[in-house]
Amino acid sequence: AQSVTQLDSQVPVFEEAPVELRCNYSSSVSVYLFWYVQYPNQGLQLLLKYLSGSTLVKGINGFEAEFNKSQTSFHLRKPSVHISDTAEYFCALNTDKLIFGTGTRLQVFP
Amino acid sequence: EAGVAQSPRYKIIEKRQSVAFWCNPISGHATLYWYQQILGQGPKLLIQFQNNGVVDDSQLPKDRFSAERLKGVDSTLKIQPAKLEDSAVYLCASSFGGGSYGYTFGSGTRLTVV
Repeated sequence: AQSVTQLDSQVPVFEEAPVELRCNYSSSVSVYLFWYVQYPNQGLQLLLKYLSGSTLVKGINGFEAEFNKSQTSFHLRKPSVHISDTAEYFCALNTDKLIFGTGTRLQVFP
Repeated sequence: EAGVAQSPRYKIIEKRQSVAFWCNPISGHATLYWYQQILGQGPKLLIQFQNNGVVDDSQLPKDRFSAERLKGVDSTLKIQPAKLEDSAVYLCASSFGGGSYGYTFGSGTRLTVV
């Protein structure tokens, strides 16, 4: 069975600091991997996705993620966060359906 | 292009009442999904449609939840009777074909059962 584990439920960070949100997955077949962001009272917005090819994926708002097959990870990074990045972030994998992790709350402080 | 439309945005009902949610996917998207997102958790797939046929409803509590997608376009999700634990955000998503095509989510309907 496929699953997604987000290791941190909350990540507090100061503005302009770098951040990494961790995601590990489990699957016996090849997968597509996604990161979504959810702002308060809004739906899910796609940040980036890994389908194949280069393991470093760049997304919107300055985020990037690296696919590591040997470690079954797909961590999300940003070199310098802004207050506006405060939101819930979800890692998801797709085989025949889209399966989400439990989410990481990124809280950026001034 | 227009996004995935959902209504209502918010709904408060008493337990044992019934409620219905509506979703209008992006034009041309054959696949439609309903997710349940309980506070503090990731979205959980309830049902997946391909055109007007059900592909996966393994996690839909069929004793109280039902969904339909008439004519392969709009979809309605119904809960009858509602329980307190049904309080959640119900998200609708659509996709041209899933997988690499990606998914577009609506803003969701926040249901509170009191």
